[in-house]
Amino acid sequence: DQQVKQNSPSLSVQEGRISILNCDYTNSMFDYFLWYKKYPAEGPTFLISISSIKDKNEDGRFTVFLNKSAKHLSLHIVPSQPGDSAVYFCAASRLIQGAQKLVFGQGTRLTINP
Amino acid sequence: NAGVTQTPKFQVLKTGQSMTLQCAQDMNHNSMYWYRQDPGMGLRLIYYSASEGTTDKGEVPNGYNVSRLNKREFSLRLESAAPSQTSVYFCASSVRVGGIANYEQYFGPGTRLTVT
Repeated sequence: DQQVKQNSPSLSVQEGRISILNCDYTNSMFDYFLWYKKYPAEGPTFLISISSIKDKNEDGRFTVFLNKSAKHLSLHIVPSQPGDSAVYFCAASRLIQGAQKLVFGQGTRLTINP
Repeated sequence: NAGVTQTPKFQVLKTGQSMTLQCAQDMNHNSMYWYRQDPGMGLRLIYYSASEGTTDKGEVPNGYNVSRLNKREFSLRLESAAPSQTSVYFCASSVRVGGIANYEQYFGPGTRLTVT
């Protein structure tokens, strides 16, 4: 039973255009939603998060949108740059006794073409 | 400030062998985690430790044991390795960054384990 899903395994975008990565979840008990970026042979690095009580959070070129009624979130990157090429994971968080339990989606490989 | 470190980086085991994956963090975080990542899948939580002295099972704990040795170190042990445990293993630690449930997890570089 996959609680967090990223249905697009890959996405290719022209440099300078907008990249939109999507994620769906099933459990309405999640507190926070996060996006992580991962390069090959490295651990994931935190990118941006959003509380379940908000619908938008922005940080520079990155914006995350949350639609709670649809149980859907998306990450917008604008403008896209070649260094953004990586695998992006969305994750949903529940706080259990002071520990942040994350449930990850399968990841979307983003390729930015020059 | 090294962040989260993991040893070894690579390991090949034969079925039935045992080994311990080591993880340490120097950020004074209370909570630590072990994940595995398989091809085409996201990271899945194996075990976590909310604070020194406590450990709990995650999504996929079978075949693993953990020890929270102190606040800095959290090890993962495979007692009898199986080919199904071939994976990349990530350790992480977390800190609250604001708000009641707003935490950020920092990941190590991973250990690539192959069981033949």
